[in-house]
Amino acid sequence: QVQLQESGPGLEKSSETLSLTCTVSGASMSSFYWNWIRQPPGKGLEWIGYINYSGSSNFKPSLKSRATITLDPSKNQFSLRLTSMTAADTAVYYCATEAIAVAGMVEYWGQGTLVTVSS
Amino acid sequence: QSVLTQPPSVSGAPGQRVTISCTGSSSNIGAAYDVHWYKQLPGTPPKLLIYGNRNRPSGVPDRFSGSKSGTSASLAITGLQPEDEADYYCQSYDSSLRSWVFGGGTKLTVL
Repeated sequence: QVQLQESGPGLEKSSETLSLTCTVSGASMSSFYWNWIRQPPGKGLEWIGYINYSGSSNFKPSLKSRATITLDPSKNQFSLRLTSMTAADTAVYYCATEAIAVAGMVEYWGQGTLVTVSS
Repeated sequence: QSVLTQPPSVSGAPGQRVTISCTGSSSNIGAAYDVHWYKQLPGTPPKLLIYGNRNRPSGVPDRFSGSKSGTSASLAITGLQPEDEADYYCQSYDSSLRSWVFGGGTKLTVL
């Protein structure tokens, strides 16, 4: 069974850089595209970006200048880095799998981690 | 506003049928990109409900069905049950935004 678990600080200061890691179990890193999706409190879902096994990544254009996703197959982990955080980045951050065969289909999700940006 | 438009809320009595619409445009649903649907209970991650417009993952009851026509998609739930009360989101790809996009979500209340 595929399981994902996010880890990282729950509180960030404005203008600082967020670093989150997702640890994967039950799946090979070559089996999926690896996504980050976030959800501000009480609001809807927002796709941030993904990385594939070859290291190619793609991001929501409005976040592209601030976001980086990296993959560490040796540790079965992938990570998100988001610079210049503001209050608008306060959200629950989910790591998730995207099926290679069915574009966009997010089958497995982590439990999510709440990141609060304070001034 | 979300690129994909969903009604903020729908409701129905147990046993009834409800539908949730997801309206897009020619750059997403209308451009033949697949629509996926998710169900989210409070405090939990979304769960895949429908993929590729009309396919159900293993374990999802056949009370849930999806359809797509033109620039819109719909999720239908028949035989409404109390445990169906949740938020529902549609998802597709938008070629103008070059991004996966979600609808704003619909809160289903079982009366």
